[in-house]
Amino acid sequence: DAGVIQSPRHEVTEMGQEVTLRCKPISGHDYLFWYRQTMMRGLELLIYFNNNVPIDDSGMPEDRFSAKMPNASFSTLKIQPSEPRDSAVYFCASSFPRRGVISYNEQFFGPGTRLTVL
Amino acid sequence: DAKTTQPNSMESNEEEPVHLPCNHSTISGTDYIHWYRQLPSQGPEYVIHGLTSNVNNRMASLAIAEDRKSSTLILHRATLRDAAVYYCPGASGTYKYIFGTGTRLKVLA
Repeated sequence: DAGVIQSPRHEVTEMGQEVTLRCKPISGHDYLFWYRQTMMRGLELLIYFNNNVPIDDSGMPEDRFSAKMPNASFSTLKIQPSEPRDSAVYFCASSFPRRGVISYNEQFFGPGTRLTVL
Repeated sequence: DAKTTQPNSMESNEEEPVHLPCNHSTISGTDYIHWYRQLPSQGPEYVIHGLTSNVNNRMASLAIAEDRKSSTLILHRATLRDAAVYYCPGASGTYKYIFGTGTRLKVLA
């Protein structure tokens, strides 16, 4: 398996532009997570999906951020309009929780997209 | 939400054991304790997990306190390749992890 695939790996844009980040989860995984990583705040969960449905978007910083998962093999995170403070590394992760009396959820992360907003 | 506390950074000499601590003061009875690490310029990767008993795998050992309020990730012989940021994320339910800033491990040659 190729693992979680993210594109682009690097994105440089100017303030006010729309940015779209893409993620292809591992085939068969039914959970997908979007994270943002900065030096100051560390790794923060933005939103996660189960079976293509958004479950918890409480980490999305504001209305400029939106995420979609139109099918099981593709998700996007969009920032419109982008601002310099959005500069960060954005990670996508997927998982297939082992469900039982106590469920366990190992997440597999992609290589990330480094976003720079000038 | 169950949050965790870790030291910001630690240092170790190469080929010596490293004990990375984590405080899980608000952990619930059904939350697994898990550890991830992030190598430079990569995404985090799974290291180990456990519930109540100590665990060993090819990468590391996990020692869990009897009250589950703390855990220790043990690297038996640190190598330069083990230099990374180590996370013991807290949990909010089964599927939501709270990672934070982790412990940056520096391995000295």
